[in-house]
Amino acid sequence: AQKVTQAQTEISVVEKEDVTLDCVYETRDTTYYLFWYKQPPSGELVFLIRRNSFDEQNEISGRYSWNFQKSTSSFNFTITASQVVDSAVYFCALKRTYKYIFGTGTRLKVLA
Amino acid sequence: DTGVSQDPRHKITKRGQNVTFRCDPISEHNRLYWYRQTLGQGPEFLTYFQNEAQLEKSRLLSDRFSAERPKGSFSTLEIQRTEQGDSAMYLCASSLVAGLSTDTQYFGPGTRLTVL
Repeated sequence: AQKVTQAQTEISVVEKEDVTLDCVYETRDTTYYLFWYKQPPSGELVFLIRRNSFDEQNEISGRYSWNFQKSTSSFNFTITASQVVDSAVYFCALKRTYKYIFGTGTRLKVLA
Repeated sequence: DTGVSQDPRHKITKRGQNVTFRCDPISEHNRLYWYRQTLGQGPEFLTYFQNEAQLEKSRLLSDRFSAERPKGSFSTLEIQRTEQGDSAMYLCASSLVAGLSTDTQYFGPGTRLTVL
């Protein structure tokens, strides 16, 4: 079965704190892709990152970083020095063939 | 490039009425997807098009739902005889598939449907 689990329903942090959003996936495929999307209150899903199953290198983009570990089937997302504008729902997704399988999302609230 | 656009952004209808949503993908994107998102859940796949061909429909898509992409550009999603359980956000996404590399889906702002 293909499945994505985001166990953290909601996280609240104070501005400038670091925060990690967890994502655990299940798949029997050897080739697959993982994604993170941000959904602000406006509703539009904003693409953040894509990672394929053969590339386990961590990635950093500004205040964002991603840790992909095949051994634990996890693809975690860390925001460093969080800002109020980071407040949103974040979704992890697994791509199999043509469609995405999304987790239930983690709502991040960054308090000023 | 302009992003994916959807119209209307909000729709309130009475049970039993028909509704139609429109999605305009990013120009030259050959794939178009429809998803449904209910409160507190992630988007769930409904259907997708490769150019004008509808290649897959989820079991979530009952006979009351129909989607078209007549010229391989914009797409419409129609729901007939709406039910309260159809209340959700309907998201459209598009992507460009070229060669062997995988595609990344870019999403529109969604149409929020409320069935009274």
